[in-house]
This record gives sequence, C-alpha cells and structure tokens, in this order.
Amino acid sequence: GAVVSQHPSWVICKSGTSVKIECRSLDFQATTMFWYRQFPKQSLMLMATSNEGSKATYEQGVEKDKFLINHASLTLSTLTVTSAHPEDSSFYICSARDQKYGYTFGSGTRLTVV
Amino acid sequence: ILNVEQSPQSLHVQEGDSTNFTCSFPSSNFYALHWYRWETAKSPEALFVMTLNGDEKKKGRISATLNTKEGYSYLYIKGSQPEDSATYLCAFGLNTGNQFYFGTGTSLTVIP
Repeated sequence: GAVVSQHPSWVICKSGTSVKIECRSLDFQATTMFWYRQFPKQSLMLMATSNEGSKATYEQGVEKDKFLINHASLTLSTLTVTSAHPEDSSFYICSARDQKYGYTFGSGTRLTVV
Repeated sequence: ILNVEQSPQSLHVQEGDSTNFTCSFPSSNFYALHWYRWETAKSPEALFVMTLNGDEKKKGRISATLNTKEGYSYLYIKGSQPEDSATYLCAFGLNTGNQFYFGTGTSLTVIP
C-alpha cells in the first residue's frame, strides 16, 4: 500500500528559529499534498494544499509567509515554519493524495517552540 | 468552518464487548465520509471511504454505516480486543472542493 514518511517525528526549537518538516511519498507519486495542524483537544485543521510544481493554496487565517510550503517533486513536500514562536507549538501532519491510493497520512510532527 | 462532531469523546470497554461511536456532519453538499484509525505515534490508517447514502462497509470486526440525509455515520466494533485501542477519526468531504473536515475523534481503550 501507499506510505508517506514524515520527519522529524518531534522537534524542539528556540523562538525565532525556523523548522522544516518533510513528507515523502515512498511508493507512489503524490500529485497533491495536504498539511494539517492539530492543537490539543481540537480536530485536525487543514492549513494548506500543495500541488507539485505550483504554489500552495492556504486556508483562511494561515499566514503563507510564515508557513512556507514547497512541493518541488512528486515525492517530496516540505513545510517550513519560519521565525517560530511558542504559539506555533502544535502537531503538524501531512496527507498525500494519489489517484490510486486516495489519501495517505504521514505519522506527524510534534513541534515545541521554547 | 464546518462542524463535524464525534461522540463519545472517549470510551473504555472490556475486552469482548461490542461498541459503537457516532460521527455527525452537515447533510448538504455531501461528497464522502472517511473513517480512520489512529494509534499513538503512527499514521492514521484509512478504514472506510463511504460515498452513498445507506452504505454499509465491513472490515473484519469493524463495520460502518452512512446516512447522508440525516448527516451521521456509525462505526461499530464487534468483540473489542486490546489491539483495537486507538483514536477513531471521521472526516467529511464536501462536493465543492478538496478539503476534508475532521472530527476530534473518539478515543477507545479496550481493557483486557
């Protein structure tokens, strides 16, 4: 079946630094990748949708200059949290869509900004 | 933002008991309803994709039903086992775009 590898699983960074999260589709080509965020006791919320080779589409209220998404190839999408602050601490998870496999999730990244 | 509600929020059952949870979603502009099983530190695993009113799907001891007219789906687990312990998420998709709206999940703990 389809597998999406997400790294890192967890990261602690200092306030003001940037953090990059990677999602790779291992055995299929992910034409579309979705990035979600989950705060404690809340549901997964879609942040942005990226299609390979084009600019990401951000959901309302998500700052595109803060959450940089790159989907340069059919197997790799990255989310960079720039100038992270404590309020960016959250659980980030990607999901890839492929014609054959539908939606497949990564295992998520727990970000803590101190 | 659409409201997708799951109940109960958490559930503890004894091994061997059968259980069920609910996912409620808007009844208009329905496209699909997904159920996922999410174990700690793992990726959410797709259980069912339901698209038609009246759909009933089964995978081993787990089954699901769908009522798009009234906006709810039930997930049933027959004879719960400790390995069924996980969070069960539902996600509702509109027919007007790519986005799926997630519930907050039902956390199931099966006590041996």
